[in-house]
Amino acid sequence: DSGVTQTPKHLITATGQRVTLRCSPRSGDLSVYWYQQSLDQGLQFLIQYYNGEERAKGNILERFSAQQFPDLHSELNLSSLELGDSALYFCASSVASGTGELFFGEGSRLTVL
Amino acid sequence: AQSVAQPEDQVNVAEGNPLTVKCTYSVSGNPYLFWYVQYPNRGLQFLLKYITGDNLVKGSYGFEAEFNKSQTSFHLKKPSALVSDSALYFCAVRAYGNNRLAFGKGNQVVVIP
Repeated sequence: DSGVTQTPKHLITATGQRVTLRCSPRSGDLSVYWYQQSLDQGLQFLIQYYNGEERAKGNILERFSAQQFPDLHSELNLSSLELGDSALYFCASSVASGTGELFFGEGSRLTVL
Repeated sequence: AQSVAQPEDQVNVAEGNPLTVKCTYSVSGNPYLFWYVQYPNRGLQFLLKYITGDNLVKGSYGFEAEFNKSQTSFHLKKPSALVSDSALYFCAVRAYGNNRLAFGKGNQVVVIP
């Protein structure tokens, strides 16, 4: 158990809909990262927050947004969903922004029908 | 930009034989290198990292990796593979001062009893 909690574990929805994925980092970790894992694209970095502020942005679509709240949990919002958004979405956390390893949650599997 | 190449899609090895999973990286400046393992329907688990110092890094579950700056490689090794080592292995790199951890596409390791 990494200590990172993600909900929901599975989510099935229709095209055009909006969903919110939630992540609680390990106790004491200030950095939260979001990754998308799909068979054809592999693990893609989406976005990173550190203590409530956006620190780095990757291949995140404009239809996607994220935020980190004062209690350090984070949410990833996916809107106007398309079939191609079906993937496993991982949250990871680390103590600080830098050399430390990331600790990953179990992921949220999104299926868009 | 930072990137990782894992040239083999799948590595097959007999139980008890040495296991090697290859990784080469591209990054500006000093690299921070990581190996993660992913079991089916689970999140990524940290195995080991190289930040600085000794080129041979020892990690969890008997794994080790050797940093080779001239060949820009960070191959993962285990002297004697177990069936339970069958999983997906990811190499990752982060450049000094960069928050983004870039992952390779992953290598499926199959240990044959």
